[in-house]
Amino acid sequence: DSGVTQTPKHLITATGQRVTLRCSPRSGDLSVYWYQQSLDQGLQFLIQYYNGEERAKGNILERFSAQQFPDLHSELNLSSLELGDSALYFCASSPTWRELPDTQYFGPGTRLTVL
Amino acid sequence: GESVGLHLPTLSVQEGDNSIINCAYSNSASDYFIWYKQESGKGPQFIIDIRSNMDKRQGQRVTVLLNKTVKHLSLQIAATQPGDSAVYFCAENFSGGYQKVTFGTGTKLQVIP
Repeated sequence: DSGVTQTPKHLITATGQRVTLRCSPRSGDLSVYWYQQSLDQGLQFLIQYYNGEERAKGNILERFSAQQFPDLHSELNLSSLELGDSALYFCASSPTWRELPDTQYFGPGTRLTVL
Repeated sequence: GESVGLHLPTLSVQEGDNSIINCAYSNSASDYFIWYKQESGKGPQFIIDIRSNMDKRQGQRVTVLLNKTVKHLSLQIAATQPGDSAVYFCAENFSGGYQKVTFGTGTKLQVIP
């Protein structure tokens, strides 16, 4: 158990809908990262937050957005969903954003299925 | 652009043999490298890391080798066990400005009993 929790574990929805994925980082970790993992694909970095502020952006679509709240939990919002958005979405946390090494601890993921 | 890739998508190894998983990276400025293991249905799990000022680092049954000249990273697993069956990702980390981690596609390790 990494200490990172994600809810829900599974999510099935229809095209055009909007969903929110939730992540609680490890106790004491200030950075939260979101990743997308499609079938037979590697981990695609979406976005990183540190202590409530956006720190880095990866291949995140404009239909997607995220935020980190004062209690450090984070939410990833996916809107106008398309079939191609079906994937595993992982959240990871780390203690800092600059210090080496910055090992990321991953949650169990949310499996999103868009029908 | 920056990319991290793996030479072999699938590796089959006999139980008890040693496994070697390879990774190539393209950003010569990357200063920290990590290997993750992802079992089916789970999130990636940290295995071992190495900084760019090192060539080799050993853990329990695992060794990571870094060759900066050819930008190559490898993970060696000694006496491979069925529980080692998983997808292995290498990741490169460039800390200039902010942490930027790029993951490779992954290599699936299948251990044959």
